[in-house]
Amino acid sequence: SQQGEEDPQALSIQEGENATMNCSYKTSINNLQWYRQNSGRGLVHLILIRSNEREKHSGRLRVTLDTSKKSSSLLITASRAADTASYFCATGPNDYKLSFGAGTTVTVRA
Amino acid sequence: KAGVTQTPRYLIKTRGQQVTLSCSPISGHRSVSWYQQTPGQGLQFLFEYFSETQRNKGNFPGRFSGRQFSNSRSEMNVSTLELGDSALYLCASSLEEGAFGMGYGYTFGSGTRLTVV
Repeated sequence: SQQGEEDPQALSIQEGENATMNCSYKTSINNLQWYRQNSGRGLVHLILIRSNEREKHSGRLRVTLDTSKKSSSLLITASRAADTASYFCATGPNDYKLSFGAGTTVTVRA
Repeated sequence: KAGVTQTPRYLIKTRGQQVTLSCSPISGHRSVSWYQQTPGQGLQFLFEYFSETQRNKGNFPGRFSGRQFSNSRSEMNVSTLELGDSALYLCASSLEEGAFGMGYGYTFGSGTRLTVV
């Protein structure tokens, strides 16, 4: 079973707009990670945020973490066509494994 | 440096057959994990190896097995294939550096797409 849920399941935006997706999880965590997957290919690690951090930035990505609400959000600013992909949050590693959410499919329209 | 390499990229097998998938981690990475991805179940953890030792195994039947060699390369095997085994199988490697709780990201391969007919 998966650790959490992502919201929304799908998102369609215009190029240049911002995209925000949320991830909720069930158990306490040490770390939360975000990954991107392009069309059935492998996962690409985007960012890792530790449980004692509240916000982290990497280029056009901004991740927040609220451990009291057991939730995280990923913001992609000034989206581009190349950002079209599925985005997954994952908690862990715990016991050497990641627990993934169901993912958010983002489509960026030109 | 080279990424995580998975072979083969695509595979079609018949029910009842067995299959072996291969994964070469990034040079220097000693932790190798396997995940199964299906539309219905999403990304599910199969197992993790470190220095040839399995440290954790997911909730999969005994038909799913794996191993890691001394050079950190890993293989997973699925015996007596079922239609439901059709999936994208992803391998990930990690350097696993840093103190406990600091966390580490994984580098994934492009996956092996297995179709069971």
